[in-house]
Amino acid sequence: EAGVTQFPSHSVIEKGQTVTLRCDPISGHDNLYWYRRVMGKEIKFLLHFVKESKQDESGMPNNRFLAERTGGTYSTLKVQPAELEDSGVYFCASSQDQGVDVVAEAFFGQGTRLTVV
Amino acid sequence: ILNVEQSPQSLHVQEGDSTNFTCSFPSSNFYALHWYRWETAKSPEALFVMTLNGDEKKKGRISATLNTKEGYSYLYIKGSQPEDSATYLCAFRDYGGSQGNLIFGKGTKLSVKP
Repeated sequence: EAGVTQFPSHSVIEKGQTVTLRCDPISGHDNLYWYRRVMGKEIKFLLHFVKESKQDESGMPNNRFLAERTGGTYSTLKVQPAELEDSGVYFCASSQDQGVDVVAEAFFGQGTRLTVV
Repeated sequence: ILNVEQSPQSLHVQEGDSTNFTCSFPSSNFYALHWYRWETAKSPEALFVMTLNGDEKKKGRISATLNTKEGYSYLYIKGSQPEDSATYLCAFRDYGGSQGNLIFGKGTKLSVKP
C-alpha cells in the first residue's frame, strides 16, 4: 500500500511568487491534514479536510494560504504571494474515519521543504 | 495557549544504553497523546497513541507511559541502537480540538553512537 506522498520534496522560490504543494493521501483515507514546521520550532497544525470539506482551518496563518481538496482525493496548498516567513517544512497526513471517540492514527508524508528567498 | 514541552532537547547516548525522555502537556481537557519518531527528510512515523491515564504501550524496545492527571508521558528506549537515532515528537490533543488538531512539542533529538 502506498503511503502519503507529497510533491515537490523541495521548492525554492522568491518572495512574492506563488507555490503550490500537493499531497496524495493513502487511498481510502477520508481525513487529510496539513501541518507546517518552521525551522527551530514545533510542528503546527494548519487544517483538516474530511473528504472535500474543510473540517477545521483554525491553524491557517492568513489568507495568503489556500487549501483545496477537490473530489476528496488529493489536496493542494497554495501560498500566494509567498513571504520569507513562510519558509519551512509542510507536512501532510491522512487517516481513516474510525468513528466518534476513536483516536485514529495519522500517517505522514515526508514533507515539502519550502524556502522563500 | 496550550503548550507541550519535551525534555531534554537533545540526547547523546552510547549503543546499548537505555534512555528515556519526557513530554509534558496540559492536564485539563486531555483527549489523546501521540508519539512519533522522525528522521529528517523522512515521514514522521507513528509510535503510539495513548488515551487512558496509566496507559503503558510497547513496541519492540520502545515503550511509553501516560499520566494524564499530572500531565506527562515518558518514552523509554531499552538498549539503544544507532538506528534509533531520530527526533522523537509528542503531540497532544485536547477535548476542544478537532481530530488532527494536534499540539506538538519541539521534540527530543536522540543520537546513538556505535
